[in-house]
Amino acid sequence: DTGVSQNPRHKITKRGQNVTFRCDPISEHNRLYWYRQTLGQGPEFLTYFQNEAQLEKSRLLSDRFSAERPKGSFSTLEIQRTEQGDSAMYLCASRPGMDYGYTFGSGTRLTVV
Amino acid sequence: AQTVTQSQPEMSVQEAETVTLSCTYDTSESDYYLFWYKQPPSRQMILVIRQEAYKQQNATENRFSVNFQKAAKSFSLKISDSQLGDAAMYFCAYRRSQGGSEKLVFGKGTKLTVNP
Repeated sequence: DTGVSQNPRHKITKRGQNVTFRCDPISEHNRLYWYRQTLGQGPEFLTYFQNEAQLEKSRLLSDRFSAERPKGSFSTLEIQRTEQGDSAMYLCASRPGMDYGYTFGSGTRLTVV
Repeated sequence: AQTVTQSQPEMSVQEAETVTLSCTYDTSESDYYLFWYKQPPSRQMILVIRQEAYKQQNATENRFSVNFQKAAKSFSLKISDSQLGDAAMYFCAYRRSQGGSEKLVFGKGTKLTVNP
């Protein structure tokens, strides 16, 4: 297991299109997190899963955003009707339940044109 | 709401010298975790060091150490014998330890430049 994997690494989309990102956490990690990072800022929390259950969502996660983790393994983050303000790096992180250390993926950079 | 403040947008250090990055936070909780993350230009966040608030002893990881002042809500990172590979963005982060939110709250980061 080589760590948290995110795909694609880069995505350019036209405004109004839908996009979906995938995160594959470390296999034994039951907790998975999505963050958004804009240029010059620290990451901002979006949502958290424990196994397949989505237990926490930020107010940043508008109704155009949806995240799933159907079998408690990989997760997807979908953005519908993208806006230019959605341009950012989307980071995924995971951790095992008995440790509070987080492992981050390399992120998906979204550019909305 | 918890907030994390990094007052130094940029810092520079000469190779082999020591540099200290500042972080303050605001919380009403008594038990929590604090972290320093490094984000090199490749963008993957890497954990540098972490501290449990209930521990009085400052955490140390090789050349990296923290000065944790709980009463002052301060959590600074000291990098000794700086190396070129230490150049990166450094983020301070907070997480409450018991119940409630699982989220990490990050500061805006400090860009560290290491000069040869």
